[in-house]
Amino acid sequence: QKEVEQNSGPLSVPEGAIASLNCTYSDRGSQSFFWYRQYSGKSPELIMFIYSNGDKEDGRFTAQLNKASQYVSLLIRDSQPSDSATYLCPHGSSNTGKLIFGQGTTLQVKP
Amino acid sequence: KAGVTQTPRYLIKTRGQQVTLSCSPISGHRSVSWYQQTPGQGLQFLFEYFSETQRNKGNFPGRFSGRQFSNSRSEMNVSTLELGDSALYLCASSLDINLNTEAFFGQGTRLTVV
Repeated sequence: QKEVEQNSGPLSVPEGAIASLNCTYSDRGSQSFFWYRQYSGKSPELIMFIYSNGDKEDGRFTAQLNKASQYVSLLIRDSQPSDSATYLCPHGSSNTGKLIFGQGTTLQVKP
Repeated sequence: KAGVTQTPRYLIKTRGQQVTLSCSPISGHRSVSWYQQTPGQGLQFLFEYFSETQRNKGNFPGRFSGRQFSNSRSEMNVSTLELGDSALYLCASSLDINLNTEAFFGQGTRLTVV
């Protein structure tokens, strides 16, 4: 089982729609969860972090965490073409704190 | 507040050579982590330094090494370069990654080995 599972996509949504990105993870002891956006040829940019079960909202972004189900998601409301990127959902390892990454989900927002 | 600075941005080296990459973290951040990103493997953890000490190490051969200076700047070195070392090398700056604080990435160094 991979430490972080993400659907590689591409996930295609029309402009203005809600994009839903999902991750599952295997480390039951992990306490910190992050969402990064990475444009092609660029470095990852932190967009959200969440430490507690439930929802956390920041502008058009909502992160959802369910530790019991080992599941974290990101909702992007009113998707824009500029949201087209690869989204990464690393978590902090319970042993060392280092970030454990999956392969990322590519999001395409069509005008 | 300045972000994470990595130099150089691009490098082309030949097999067998060695290379040194530099990372200056955000002011006040003492934790620097290094990652290798390739299309097939995604982001792979190399190592992490905190207060000049290597605390965590990934599953990379001994050709990959690093260090951190008293001002928290970090360098990583790759010796005897192989074609498979071609990748984007990213460093991430954090207050203390072991305390699950947020990590911010530099722009990366793209290394091409020919």
